[in-house]
Amino acid sequence: DTAVSQTPKYLVTQMGNDKSIKCEQNLGHDTMYWYKQDSKKFLKIMFSYNNKELIINETVPNRFSPKSPDKAHLNLHINSLELGDSAVYFCASSQGGGLETQYFGPGTRLLVL
Amino acid sequence: DQQVKQNSPSLSVQEGRISILNCDYTNSMFDYFLWYKKYPAEGPTFLISISSIKDKNEDGRFTVFLNKSAKHLSLHIVPSQPGDSAVYFCAAGTPGNTPLVFGKGTRLSVIA
Repeated sequence: DTAVSQTPKYLVTQMGNDKSIKCEQNLGHDTMYWYKQDSKKFLKIMFSYNNKELIINETVPNRFSPKSPDKAHLNLHINSLELGDSAVYFCASSQGGGLETQYFGPGTRLLVL
Repeated sequence: DQQVKQNSPSLSVQEGRISILNCDYTNSMFDYFLWYKKYPAEGPTFLISISSIKDKNEDGRFTVFLNKSAKHLSLHIVPSQPGDSAVYFCAAGTPGNTPLVFGKGTRLSVIA
């Protein structure tokens, strides 16, 4: 009964490919997030959705497109993958946005070759 | 531009002793601070938080202290246990839909 799940856990792909990472939460939360943890270990927010609507979009290239089919899912599609996209991507959710406690998924380790 | 800094990448402590993890911030608008704990191959999990109206918050073995004038907070774990070995992230936020800002994390190793 995982609260926030992500698939796949590992993703190895070639430069230029398009890939998607899926996220699902069964906590009944209204808000979902995507974070990127790069090689320098910073955990930085990319997007935040509240009830399927985009709330936060932090200077992320257009190649990254989040999609929220319903409030329990927030998928991340990445076009034309680049070497610098290699990172760990974490999905999270919270009841409401702002300072509510966020619950994180296990992460997706993306390696672009 | 690191608004939240955890200057110690790692810390080793003997079991039973106190672990003190430090965090500094630069943005005086931050008024809510959180600590998350992360085990390998897992996502961060919420540990403890403090709002700027308090200078201390305690939850079992974990205590967070906030010094607003110094823009500094610390997490104390006492007594430290081997299961506390993890990466600890400090995060800060402001009310509204502004994102949390995380530090780089400090890896704590508790040695038996």
